[in-house]
Amino acid sequence: EVQLLESGGGLVRPGGSLRLSCAASGFTFSSLAMSWVRQAPGQGLEWVSAISGSGGTTYYPDSVKGRFTISRDNSRGTLSLQMNSLRVEDTAIYYCAKSRSVADAFDIWGQGTMVTVSP
Amino acid sequence: DIQMTQSPSTLSASVGDRVTITCRASHTISRWLAWYQQKPGKVPKLLIYDASSLESGVPSRFSGSGSGTEFTLTISSLQPDDFATYYCQQYNSYLTWTFGQGTRVEI
Repeated sequence: EVQLLESGGGLVRPGGSLRLSCAASGFTFSSLAMSWVRQAPGQGLEWVSAISGSGGTTYYPDSVKGRFTISRDNSRGTLSLQMNSLRVEDTAIYYCAKSRSVADAFDIWGQGTMVTVSP
Repeated sequence: DIQMTQSPSTLSASVGDRVTITCRASHTISRWLAWYQQKPGKVPKLLIYDASSLESGVPSRFSGSGSGTEFTLTISSLQPDDFATYYCQQYNSYLTWTFGQGTRVEI
């Protein structure tokens, strides 16, 4: 069964850092692009980072560029998101998601991990 | 950057109704559009990809159409399980995605 399981969420003060992880199983992890998507309480979905299968290419929207870093360990089947200089507006559920290619829909989502940034 | 705009933001409907949601892209995206369903407290679920391809296991009452900048999601006969929020998403560019703001379908 294809599965994604996030961990690492929690409460952090503004300006702080947090590292999220996503454990993948049931598919050939190293050959597929992976992304992080977030959803603030009561709000819509926002894509926040993506990484190619090899890990050599990463992309971010302007809202997190320079603060968030996505990485992957293909030997362990894990995806990570290092979040620095966190802001109150980064408060959200963070999902990892798999796409079937570098430009494709997200066919598998994890259950999400909650990040709360509060003074 | 490509912006995605959905309409309406909220839609009131009854069981058995035919429902249509529209998604417009700020630039042409060919057919690189997906639709998701999300219920409260649940993970988004892929319904449609490549504008009109039905994801495996999704009921045939869901259909998608469009290309370029205008797209629609149609539910042919609304069922009780379909009351949810629906999002469109473009993937025209390499490793870059944008979601619409969502359409809530309510009773």
